[in-house]
Amino acid sequence: NAGVTQTPKFQVLKTGQSMTLQCAQDMNHNSMYWYRQDPGMGLRLIYYSASEGTTDKGEVPNGYNVSRLNKREFSLRLESAAPSQTSVYFCASSEGGRPYGYTFGSGTRLTVV
Amino acid sequence: SQQGEEDPQALSIQEGENATMNCSYKTSINNLQWYRQNSGRGLVHLILIRSNEREKHSGRLRVTLDTSKKSSSLLITASRAADTASYFCATARTGGNAGGTSYGKLTFGQGTILTVHP
Repeated sequence: NAGVTQTPKFQVLKTGQSMTLQCAQDMNHNSMYWYRQDPGMGLRLIYYSASEGTTDKGEVPNGYNVSRLNKREFSLRLESAAPSQTSVYFCASSEGGRPYGYTFGSGTRLTVV
Repeated sequence: SQQGEEDPQALSIQEGENATMNCSYKTSINNLQWYRQNSGRGLVHLILIRSNEREKHSGRLRVTLDTSKKSSSLLITASRAADTASYFCATARTGGNAGGTSYGKLTFGQGTILTVHP
């Protein structure tokens, strides 16, 4: 009963470093999403993938790239990390195409110094 | 910009009391959802209400939706200390293609922090 698995759980980066956040789901969901959560800001959508082979920008895509590797996996890449990207990142998935709740991962807490 | 805004930002009650949280939004929606987040954890889906529904129940949860006022409320009855968490409303807008691109995207509010004292 894994659901949505995110790795790593914690990461500290120096400004300018790059890294990839990994996300995998085992529920055969079509749609996957990346959100960031900052204090007082709620969750903001970075990128999403409505179905395998498609990706699209969300509300705050600048500084990020994504790859929908296959139906299960959706990764988020920071090419040159900035302190403003310090946040908690959540991956989520849903069946897509009809009203349905999301299943969230447990999050990655990223600090950029 | 945030589609949903919760009110109050924080709520503190005693065990056994009812907790009511409100959510307002700005655009037409297909459905509205409520999520719970325990400290340091991911969000957990609680309940979904469609735009053509006015009220929905799930266990101790009761959700109402008033599309004319663009608002929703979440009522937790007979609260327990384990209900202590942040609660978020999220809206899915109307429209979108057959693949449900915009249909499925959720926009979250800033949340209400609920503390239930034993």
